[in-house]
Amino acid sequence: QKEVEQDPGPLSVPEGAIVSLNCTYSNSAFQYFMWYRQYSRKGPELLMYTYSSGNKEDGRFTAQVDKSSKYISLFIRDSQPSDSATYLCAMSFSGGYQKVTFGIGTKLQVIP
Amino acid sequence: SAVISQKPSRDICQRGTSLTIQCQVDSQVTMMFWYRQQPGQSLTLIATANQGSEATYESGFVIDKFPISRPNLTFSTLTVSNMSPEDSSIYLCSVEGETAGQPQHFGDGTRLSIL
Repeated sequence: QKEVEQDPGPLSVPEGAIVSLNCTYSNSAFQYFMWYRQYSRKGPELLMYTYSSGNKEDGRFTAQVDKSSKYISLFIRDSQPSDSATYLCAMSFSGGYQKVTFGIGTKLQVIP
Repeated sequence: SAVISQKPSRDICQRGTSLTIQCQVDSQVTMMFWYRQQPGQSLTLIATANQGSEATYESGFVIDKFPISRPNLTFSTLTVSNMSPEDSSIYLCSVEGETAGQPQHFGDGTRLSIL
């Protein structure tokens, strides 16, 4: 069993839809949870990060962490064609100095 | 956030040869990280490079295959040695966040194909 499970997709949605991206994990010691966005031929770009459980909102993006279920989500409201990318969930035991474990990434396509 | 530049951005190499990838950061950082992103697989950490000490390699990666240099606080290199088609991958450099607890930031990677 992988430490972090993520559906690779692809996921196609119409413009304006609400997108839900999810990851599950097996190690309850993870404390930091991140979402990266990766456009084609580019490196991962940090989108959001949270510490421990709870919600965090930034514009059209909301990250949720449910540690009791070992489940994290990223919601994108009013999705745009520019949101078309691969979304990687990631997590670590502590902050930026430490090893980060990534999901495989979900490829999202927002259709105009 | 730090600006990270990687060179080359892509290359096509013959099997049995070696390639050195460079990673330059526009600010001083203590920790630099090298990852591999193979098709259909998640990013996998190869090693952590701390200036002034030997790199720390993850399970499955060895120094003879992936030697790393870290001569100063803004630069690192990763060499992929004696390449085979299985080494075809994207190699990514990342650096620590600006403050404790901040996530890592990545360069755009080097796309490597081995013939």
